[in-house]
Amino acid sequence: ETVLTQSPATLSLSPGERATLSCRASRSLSIYLAWYQQKPGQAPRLLIYDASNRATGIPARFSGSGSGTDFTLTISSLEPEDFAVYYCQQRSNWPPTWTFGQGTKVEIK
Amino acid sequence: QLQLQESGPGLVKPSETLSLTCTVSGGSISSSDDYWGWIRQPPGKGLEWIANMYYTGTTYYNPSLKSRLTISIDTSKNQLSLKLTSVTAADTALYFCVSQPVRGALNWFDTWGQGTLVTVSS
Repeated sequence: ETVLTQSPATLSLSPGERATLSCRASRSLSIYLAWYQQKPGQAPRLLIYDASNRATGIPARFSGSGSGTDFTLTISSLEPEDFAVYYCQQRSNWPPTWTFGQGTKVEIK
Repeated sequence: QLQLQESGPGLVKPSETLSLTCTVSGGSISSSDDYWGWIRQPPGKGLEWIANMYYTGTTYYNPSLKSRLTISIDTSKNQLSLKLTSVTAADTALYFCVSQPVRGALNWFDTWGQGTLVTVSS
């Protein structure tokens, strides 16, 4: 089973600061990693797919990078609405299974 | 715009069967464009993929849940269903209905329902 390890568990930052979130995979994923944002009481929202492609309607301050086993989600300048939990997610080919990282909480400092 | 709405009992007794339905609107569950599935989230915890299905019947199950799981599609009602047998407190979670675009090789989940909380308790 492919394990995704996110770090840090919690990131305490102020609005306007840059956030850098990490996701490390236990096997090479090529570029096939997605990122989601989840706010309290809401469903997760797709932010990034295939490591670096922004989903429809996602602001340009969100960017993804990486390949292989190391991936990064960057929020260039935190807006008040960006304080949330972020998850990375991958798909294994055989048997087809999908797993998530344990999440990184971005909280207001 | 595609919308997913989960429904079902909010309380299930231990050892009984959890049954949920997801109604698809703004699109067809028979579309060749998407797979449909379920993801759950225990209170205060992370996300766990449960299963997904294509309208042709192709189905993928989480190996850790497979022996207790059945998902199905009712094309006449545009609905996806989930049945999880022999539930325990560990199955208490927020259950999300999701779609996966085929064009993305099923690598991500792009539409999510709002979720429905199921509590397993006597």
